[in-house]
Amino acid sequence: EPEVTQTPSHQVTQMGQEVILRCVPISNHLYFYWYRQILGQKVEFLVSFYNNEISEKSEIFDDQFSVERPDGSNFTLKIRSTKLEDSAMYFCASSLQGFREKLFFGSGTQLSVL
Amino acid sequence: GESVGLHLPTLSVQEGDNSIINCAYSNSASDYFIWYKQESGKGPQFIIDIRSNMDKRQGQRVTVLLNKTVKHLSLQIAATQPGDSAVYFCAENIGDDKIIFGKGTRLHILP
Repeated sequence: EPEVTQTPSHQVTQMGQEVILRCVPISNHLYFYWYRQILGQKVEFLVSFYNNEISEKSEIFDDQFSVERPDGSNFTLKIRSTKLEDSAMYFCASSLQGFREKLFFGSGTQLSVL
Repeated sequence: GESVGLHLPTLSVQEGDNSIINCAYSNSASDYFIWYKQESGKGPQFIIDIRSNMDKRQGQRVTVLLNKTVKHLSLQIAATQPGDSAVYFCAENIGDDKIIFGKGTRLHILP
């Protein structure tokens, strides 16, 4: 079964450093998402992306965050200057035809900001 | 305030019994609902969904019930198995470009 893949599985960085989290969505999917989950808490929406532009973003997704689909297969989340509170599991997801259908999630990247 | 939430954070069920996990939502505009299962160290996995024009939908061993009058959603798992141990999230779309998740219920299966 096709799946969403994320790399790396773990990322450790120093506060203030830039990180890029990478995702390869399912190949024929058109809608892409980033979510994050702080340990033991709920899954929080960050951003949705369609047709090479952001469709919606949450208040968490401030100017320090950006997304890109650089080459038609990858979907990246960049955090420009990481803060301690950015430590979380970051999940990429994709869906085939719209925002009102099931999302397929990757296994996540655990980001630890020291 | 939160649009999607859950009544119980933890549910313990005897193996073989049926499980019922509940979820309340507050936004009347919500028109699409999903249940996800999250096992330890993994991403959320789709279980079943339902649109607001339906009251009930069945899958393999799972049933989702939607009561729009009281804004309540439930997931029923028949003949609960050890592999059903996980955190279960309800999620919703309110007609915009995102799915938002509730807090989650941890399901423990007792032997």
